[in-house]
Amino acid sequence: AQSVTQLGSHVSVSEGALVLLRCNYSSSVPPYLFWYVQYPNQGLQLLLKYTSAATLVKGINGFEAEFKKSETSFHLTKPSAHMSDAAEYFCAVSSTGANSKLTFGKGITLSVRP
Amino acid sequence: GAVVSQHPSRVICKSGTSVKIECRSLDFQATTMFWYRQFPKQSLMLMATSNEGSKATYEQGVEKDKFLINHASLTLSTLTVTSAHPEDSSFYICSAGPNHQADSYGYTFGSGTRLTVV
Repeated sequence: AQSVTQLGSHVSVSEGALVLLRCNYSSSVPPYLFWYVQYPNQGLQLLLKYTSAATLVKGINGFEAEFKKSETSFHLTKPSAHMSDAAEYFCAVSSTGANSKLTFGKGITLSVRP
Repeated sequence: GAVVSQHPSRVICKSGTSVKIECRSLDFQATTMFWYRQFPKQSLMLMATSNEGSKATYEQGVEKDKFLINHASLTLSTLTVTSAHPEDSSFYICSAGPNHQADSYGYTFGSGTRLTVV
């Protein structure tokens, strides 16, 4: 069984400040890990994914995440927040098998203050 | 990149009627499609997994007779909400599975359908 924990439901940062969204996972098999962003009334857009290659993954819009097996974490960061980053962020885990389904965390709302 | 086109984006229907939601993979073949339901301010809940040419696999607690899923071709999967009731009002999202060549392990999502049953 796999699961994802995203602590807290809301993070607020100032424009230009560091963004850190935490994600911890539980998996009995080597995981694939994902971060998605969702804007209101829209589907999910992939920010980045870890699929057992480099542990530091760079994604779109300046986001990156580091896979730390010892900490079972996959935290999302961005050095400088932009107003357009305000959205809902979901961390997700899947196994590596064919047709593996995604298991999502409950999501975190990011607000960016001017 | 890979695109999944989902229609309609929003629909309002009367209680007791049926609504069909379509998801089409553009320029790639989706052998697997996942269907999710999302309540306001909540995460995505997997409803079912469909594979082209076979019956869908439903998650525990999801009524397969109410939520009919058809995956008749490699580019089209549909979800039909039958005899809809107000409690079926929700945001429904489809996702192409991880095996399509266009975006390995990208799980491309549709843009979602806001269903309101009145």
